[in-house]
Amino acid sequence: GAVVSQHPSRVICKSGTSVKIECRSLDFQATTMFWYRQFPKQSLMLMATSNEGSKATYEQGVEKDKFLINHASLTLSTLTVTSAHPEDSSFYICSARDQSPGGEQFFGPGTRLTVL
Amino acid sequence: QQPVQSPQAVILREGEDAVINCSSSKALYSVHWYRQKHGEAPVFLMILLKGGEQKGHEKISASFNEKKQQSSLYLTASQLSYSGTYFCGTVANAGGTSYGKLTFGQGTILTVHP
Repeated sequence: GAVVSQHPSRVICKSGTSVKIECRSLDFQATTMFWYRQFPKQSLMLMATSNEGSKATYEQGVEKDKFLINHASLTLSTLTVTSAHPEDSSFYICSARDQSPGGEQFFGPGTRLTVL
Repeated sequence: QQPVQSPQAVILREGEDAVINCSSSKALYSVHWYRQKHGEAPVFLMILLKGGEQKGHEKISASFNEKKQQSSLYLTASQLSYSGTYFCGTVANAGGTSYGKLTFGQGTILTVHP
């Protein structure tokens, strides 16, 4: 299957700082990438859909000024959590969709963010 | 709207079978199944497209009833490695394309004991 990487895998930061998370599709081109957030023992909640070369589409209730998404190339999307606060602590997972008719999504390994 | 999974949790002994159901109130284009281990990202198992189909993957198979907007995941002769949380993700039927977003169910926790 297709490989998606995320970096960093774990980050601890102080309240008020910004954190950037990278998502890369390693062996395929992904015109669309998705960003999810998962709290402990809960399901994955879609935050935004990222399309290469255009603005991201955010889900209702997700602050676009707080969670900045950039999809500058067909293999890279970034999520920046600006002015992070403890309530932003979560598991952030990206996925990338390939061009197969079924539109399979392949997930990155996730980034554990802890804001102190 | 989030699809509903049942049961919420299943406890099995090695070798036993299990069925996990996923039901949506929306017309669906496709259903995706994933397994997630604690602290890890979800791993893709299979995708079922509208038209009603069944698929198999080792001892794990699934069916998709398009008319009922339901999918079931079948785990036969379960192994210890099958333990984890299983999520179904649904893509709503939007003009016949599969490029809509995935909406995940709440998950089913499967525990397999020796």
